[in-house]
Amino acid sequence: DVVMTQSPLSLPVSLGQPASISCRSSQSLVYSDGNTYLSWFQQRPGQSPRRLIYKVSNRDSGVPDRFSGSGSGTDFTLKISRVVAEDVGVYYCMQGTHLITFGQGTRLEIK
Amino acid sequence: EVQVVESGGGLVKPGESLRLSCAASGFSFNTYSMNWVRQAPGKGLEWVSSISRDSNYIYYADSVKGRFTISRDNAKNSLYLQMNSLRAEDTAVYYCARDGQLDYWGQGTLVTVSS
Repeated sequence: DVVMTQSPLSLPVSLGQPASISCRSSQSLVYSDGNTYLSWFQQRPGQSPRRLIYKVSNRDSGVPDRFSGSGSGTDFTLKISRVVAEDVGVYYCMQGTHLITFGQGTRLEIK
Repeated sequence: EVQVVESGGGLVKPGESLRLSCAASGFSFNTYSMNWVRQAPGKGLEWVSSISRDSNYIYYADSVKGRFTISRDNAKNSLYLQMNSLRAEDTAVYYCARDGQLDYWGQGTLVTVSS
């Protein structure tokens, strides 16, 4: 089974400051079709998860451009260029290359 | 507008059964694989099961294999999860999500297993 490891698990950030979350997989996420099925999800308090990024770096419709994803192989990063209040919540990485596995989640809070 | 709406959750005793449903609308249901994902109270997300668009490929997490059965009815635009031999550790909000990359999620339905 593929294990997804996120860090940090807690991320206090001041408003207007950048934030970065790391996600590492226990094996390569490059699929046989050449794509890398790594997604990022945001779960605001009391809400369902919402996908932000798919295939490493593609933003979903309606996602602000302050969110960006990068990485390759086994190492991936979600960056928020300037944190705003509505970004508070838990962020999960997910691999969809070898069935589906989620990271443990990173709780972003305003400092 | 793409929508998936879960239903069927509730309070059951250990060992009992429950069937969850997910009603899909706003897209061609028969062209997408579908998934169930759960979240125990205060915990992270856990993938439960996936089914291909034609039901030919079905996968389960080890934690539910042999107890849960995923199915779909493309004529009714509906996804199901039959849950048997429920345990306390199955207590969670169960989400239905579209596609192998989980692009749309429902609001979830709460399953509580307690004596």
